[in-house]
Amino acid sequence: NAGVTQTPKFRILKIGQSMTLQCAQDMNHNYMYWYRQDPGMGLKLIYYSVGAGITDKGEVPNGYNVSRSTTEDFPLRLELAAPSQTSVYFCASSYSRVRDTQYFGPGTRLTVL
Amino acid sequence: GQQVMQIPQYQHVQEGEDFTTYCNSSTTLSNIQWYKQRPGGHPVFLIQLVKSGEVKKQKRLTFQFGEAKKNSSLHITATQTTDVGTYFCAGELNNNAGNMLTFGGGTRLMVKP
Repeated sequence: NAGVTQTPKFRILKIGQSMTLQCAQDMNHNYMYWYRQDPGMGLKLIYYSVGAGITDKGEVPNGYNVSRSTTEDFPLRLELAAPSQTSVYFCASSYSRVRDTQYFGPGTRLTVL
Repeated sequence: GQQVMQIPQYQHVQEGEDFTTYCNSSTTLSNIQWYKQRPGGHPVFLIQLVKSGEVKKQKRLTFQFGEAKKNSSLHITATQTTDVGTYFCAGELNNNAGNMLTFGGGTRLMVKP
């Protein structure tokens, strides 16, 4: 099992550009999450999904969109990138409930200039 | 709003000294998880506590869940340089819909050899 994979590892965007951060898991997990981690800070939940076709907002959803068309994939879309979105983005998954262990991907380091 | 707080934010210790990080919630937690993030890495699950007053040990690490299920601690005995990293607690809030964990801000541990 590859676990949770994320691409790209690094990206530099100009203000106003858009991009999609990819996340995939091969553990047949129902729950998937997107977090952002600002330098020296904790994790903030952006969006989450409890299954294919179902997504919901987390703590900091503004400026982002998600979709979940399959169990395996949970892409995060940034529209009109802003410097405030400079952060490390982690995707995670868990089997069936929020109390199940969350498995994190390696992260995408995004800089918006 | 409801949140999970961790103290201290940073801790420098000499190798061999003990280390403790504390996690406090404004509301009762259904369970609490602890994660470790090495510098430049992603969070990795350490343990989950569910019962009031529960204590679990992993070699030199001791985890406790408070009687009121509003606080938790992680204690490391005789720190080693391999313990370096940021330790996060993450709680499932008791009145939460059950779909997300709330992460604390983390305690960054630095160990001087």
